[in-house]
Amino acid sequence: GESVGLHLPTLSVQEGDNSIINCAYSNSASDYFIWYKQESGKGPQFIIDIRSNMDKRQGQRVTVLLNKTVKHLSLQIAATQPGDSAVYFCAENPPGGTSYGKLTFGQGTILTVHP
Amino acid sequence: GAVVSQHPSRVICKSGTSVKIECRSLDFQATTMFWYRQFPKQSLMLMATSNEGSKATYEQGVEKDKFLINHASLTLSTLTVTSAHPEDSSFYICSAPGTGINIQYFGAGTRLSVL
Repeated sequence: GESVGLHLPTLSVQEGDNSIINCAYSNSASDYFIWYKQESGKGPQFIIDIRSNMDKRQGQRVTVLLNKTVKHLSLQIAATQPGDSAVYFCAENPPGGTSYGKLTFGQGTILTVHP
Repeated sequence: GAVVSQHPSRVICKSGTSVKIECRSLDFQATTMFWYRQFPKQSLMLMATSNEGSKATYEQGVEKDKFLINHASLTLSTLTVTSAHPEDSSFYICSAPGTGINIQYFGAGTRLSVL
C-alpha cells in the first residue's frame, strides 16, 4: 500500500548548525502535508504544514519544502538548538471525504543536537 | 490554541484487566477523534476513528472487541483496552481535528504497561 517514509532515521548536529530532515511520500493524491515534533513521552506537536499547491513555506526558524515531481518533503531547521532534539515525523492527509483527518505518519527521524 | 487533554498519562495494570483512556477536547467540539498507537522507536499507527453519536471505524487489523471506543459527547472519546495483555503495552495517543484546514491537535499520550 502507499505510505510515507523517511530516508534518515537519525540525525546528529551541533548547536547552531542547520538541520535538514527528509521524507518521501508515495500517495500522489495527498494534498496536505504536516511536520510534527515529538519529545520523549509526549504527543506530537505541530510544527509546520504545506499544501500541495505550494513548494515552500516558512515559519519561525523552520522551512518546509515540497517537491511533487519526486514526491519529497523536507524540513529545514535553522540555527538548531538543544531544545530541538526530538523525533520528527512527516504526515500526509489524503484528500477529503471519509479520509479527512486520517493522517499517515512517516517513520520518524531522531534529531540530536549537541551543545 | 486548541487543547486536547488525555488521561491518565500513565497506567500500569495486571494482565487480564481492562483499562480506560479518556480524550477530551477542552475548548472546542470534536465530532471526530482519532486514536493512535505507538510502540517504542516506531511511528504512530492509526487504530480507529471515533465518531460522536455513531460507531467507531477501525483500521484493518485492529480488533474492535479488544479496543472499545465510545464517543459519548462532542468533547469526550474513550478508549477501553479490554482484557489487556503484555503485548498491548504501548503509547496510546488521541487527536482531534481543528476547524478549517486539516490540523490535528494531539493529546499528550497514555503510556500503558501491562504486567
